[in-house]
Amino acid sequence: AQRVTQPEKLLSVFKGAPVELKCNYSYSGSPELFWYVQYSRQRLQLLLRHISRESIKGFTADLNKGETSFHLKKPFAQEEDSAMYYCALYSGGSNYKLTFGKGTLLTVNP
Amino acid sequence: KAGVTQTPRYLIKTRGQQVTLSCSPISGHRSVSWYQQTPGQGLQFLFEYFSETQRNKGNFPGRFSGRQFSNSRSEMNVSTLELGDSALYLCASILGAGNEQFFGPGTRLTVL
Repeated sequence: AQRVTQPEKLLSVFKGAPVELKCNYSYSGSPELFWYVQYSRQRLQLLLRHISRESIKGFTADLNKGETSFHLKKPFAQEEDSAMYYCALYSGGSNYKLTFGKGTLLTVNP
Repeated sequence: KAGVTQTPRYLIKTRGQQVTLSCSPISGHRSVSWYQQTPGQGLQFLFEYFSETQRNKGNFPGRFSGRQFSNSRSEMNVSTLELGDSALYLCASILGAGNEQFFGPGTRLTVL
């Protein structure tokens, strides 16, 4: 069975500081990993996915299959980055189920 | 293109009652998934429907059920409500494999 672990429930940094949100997964096959973000009073939305290898809003994430990790990073945090971040895994197959971690609440202080 | 819509947005029920939540996916999307979001457990998968067929079900009791109509709209039903069913229920739609899942705003269910 697949599992996604986000070890930090809360993360607080100052504006301009680097930020790293950790995500580890457990899955025997080749998963597809995502980061979703939920800003206050907004709906859950996709931030980035590993296959696109994009940088969105300054965030990047690299899939490390050896360490089974997909950490989200940003070199200089902004106050508008404050939100709930969820790491999610799609195992493929004939359905589109996403397995989510429990989320990390990021607070960027001025 | 309109996003995923969910109705009602808020619901208050008492223990033992039943509730039906509705989700309209993005036009053209044939898959709808439902998730329960709580502060303690985060987002947990309930079930996924594609072309009116349930393809996958999460680890929830049989009190949780759902269905999908020919126009891809989906409903989920929770019978014999318990206090622990209080949560934000999200639905998501997707065009197909390899595409982004789009989430609705959720239905906030409070069980008293």
